[in-house]
Amino acid sequence: QVQLQESGPGLVKPSQTLSLTCTVSGGSISSGYYYWSWIRQPAGKGLEWIGRSYINGSTNYNPSLKSRVTISVDTSENHFSLKLSSVTAADTAVYYCARDLGSGSYLDNWGQGTLVTVSS
Amino acid sequence: DIQMTQSPSSLSASVGDRVTITCQASQDINNCLNWYQQKPGKAPKLLIYDASNLETDVPSRFSGSGSGTDFTLAISSLQPEDIATYYCQQFGNLPFTFGPGTKVDMK
Repeated sequence: QVQLQESGPGLVKPSQTLSLTCTVSGGSISSGYYYWSWIRQPAGKGLEWIGRSYINGSTNYNPSLKSRVTISVDTSENHFSLKLSSVTAADTAVYYCARDLGSGSYLDNWGQGTLVTVSS
Repeated sequence: DIQMTQSPSSLSASVGDRVTITCQASQDINNCLNWYQQKPGKAPKLLIYDASNLETDVPSRFSGSGSGTDFTLAISSLQPEDIATYYCQQFGNLPFTFGPGTKVDMK
């Protein structure tokens, strides 16, 4: 059973870069069937798709965040990462990593989520 | 971006009731729609993919239908463990977008 687990700082200062890692266990991230995705959810609000990466480095990003986002996959470490630069309070949210079955693009396996607060 | 709307935004129902939630896309997305269930403090869980296909291990009381711009999630007989917020998500066009959610609670 594949499991995903987010990790990273829970507090980031404004204007700095938010960096999170999602470790995949119970399966190989190198499986060619999946994209590896990030989604976020501000407290009490809905879900926002941030973007996804394939193992060959191909990425898709939400245009609303595209200039600030980088998602990358590290097959040697079996994890993938999110970097979001120039953060503001509006980036405070629970961040989820998820596995995306690319052929149908459904998010069939999620991490538990990690709260990131942007505050000085 | 494709905008997704859901109705109602919330509902209260009794155990055993049939519950329906609708989702509408701002443009034709064929059957490129998924449904997720999110319980408080938990990650979303995939229920339905490609508008009408039940994910493995999801109870058969859940069903999905629709195509084009109008979609429905139905729970044939509401159970206490179904108390959650339900989200639709389109993947017909990038960026993928979610509906605002429908909160279901027990009357």
